[in-house]
Amino acid sequence: DAGVTQSPTHLIKTRGQQVTLRCSPKSGHDTVSWYQQALGQGPQFIFQYYEEEERQRGNFPDRFSGHQFPNYSSELNVNALLLGDSALYLCASSFISVIDTQYFGPGTRLTVL
Amino acid sequence: DAKTTQPNSMESNEEEPVHLPCNHSTISGTDYIHWYRQLPSQGPEYVIHGLTSNVNNRMASLAIAEDRKSSTLILHRATLRDAAVYYCILRDDFGNEKLTFGTGTRLTIIP
Repeated sequence: DAGVTQSPTHLIKTRGQQVTLRCSPKSGHDTVSWYQQALGQGPQFIFQYYEEEERQRGNFPDRFSGHQFPNYSSELNVNALLLGDSALYLCASSFISVIDTQYFGPGTRLTVL
Repeated sequence: DAKTTQPNSMESNEEEPVHLPCNHSTISGTDYIHWYRQLPSQGPEYVIHGLTSNVNNRMASLAIAEDRKSSTLILHRATLRDAAVYYCILRDDFGNEKLTFGTGTRLTIIP
């Protein structure tokens, strides 16, 4: 049973560029959440998708947007990249209707130069 | 979101029990106590969670104070593979799915 997968593993961008990160949830999961983890900090919640709609959102600017596809996979898009967007981006999946844990992927390391 | 307080770091000898404390004095009645850990270069992984009663699973035990204002994660016999950052998180499991992480406790295991 494949767990949560994310691509790419690493990414280097320059300021002002745009980036798209991808996530495939654990088999059978219908909900995807995205987190940003700066070096030395705990992960910070960005947003969550269920039924192709944004269900919850953390304190992140509109430059951060997402999408969920009918097969439950998800994308995180970040526009107008800033140096401060350099971080590990984590995807987590779960069932919406079950009091369940979240299963995390290995993350995408984004470096903005 | 209710806040948790954990020590920044702890050390323990290999093959000995480890007790990781967490204070959560503002916990609400519907908050579950979750523990996750993050091994080096990996995403967080679920360890255990509970509401009021102590809980055991194959990875660890969770001891919850009677007033629920504190809890302790217990690793019964630490191995080198248990070296990680451990996060104590409060989550209202009735509809609120997001996890609010603090800075956690960095556990070092001494061989």
